[in-house]
Amino acid sequence: EAEVAQSPRYKITEKSQAVAFWCDPISGHATLYWYRQILGQGPELLVQFQDESVVDDSQLPKDRFSAERLKGVDSTLKIQPAELGDSAMYLCASLPGWGGADTQYFGPGTRLTVL
Amino acid sequence: KQEVTQIPAALSVPEGENLVLNCSFTDSAIYNLQWFRQDPGKGLTSLLLIQSSQREQTSGRLNASLDKSSGRSTLYIAASQPGDSATYLCAVLIYNQGGKLIFGQGTELSVKP
Repeated sequence: EAEVAQSPRYKITEKSQAVAFWCDPISGHATLYWYRQILGQGPELLVQFQDESVVDDSQLPKDRFSAERLKGVDSTLKIQPAELGDSAMYLCASLPGWGGADTQYFGPGTRLTVL
Repeated sequence: KQEVTQIPAALSVPEGENLVLNCSFTDSAIYNLQWFRQDPGKGLTSLLLIQSSQREQTSGRLNASLDKSSGRSTLYIAASQPGDSATYLCAVLIYNQGGKLIFGQGTELSVKP
């Protein structure tokens, strides 16, 4: 069964360093989401792509976070510089088309720890 | 602004018990409601998806109901098993330019043998 791939699975970094996360959605899925999940809370949407275009990045802290999906396939989320409050699970999800009747398929996540 | 709340935050039950998890949302303008399961340190697995025009969905020992007018959903788990231990998340899909999930904070379930 096809799955959403994410790497790395775990990342430990020091405050003020740069980090990057990678996501490869299920083949053919047009919509890609990045979520941040702080321990004990539900995921919160950071950015949503439809193909290579950003649909929603209203909750993305744009002073330090950036996201791209250059060819409308895989995606990279970057944080520069990392802050202590960025420690969280970063989840990627994909969807065949627009929201609708389909469920989002989630990857295993990247656990970020900022020291 | 849509807000999703789940009660209780944590629940511990003995094996075999039937249980109910609750989810409430503040804005009835939703496209669908979904229940997810999350094991510790892992991603999310979709359990049930209820369209806004539906009242309930069933899968095996799981049954989810939706009352859109009152802003409530319940997840019923029959004959609970230790393998059901996980965090259960409720999420509503709202309209933005592409469909956006708003999650509750989850209910951490522990089923004791």
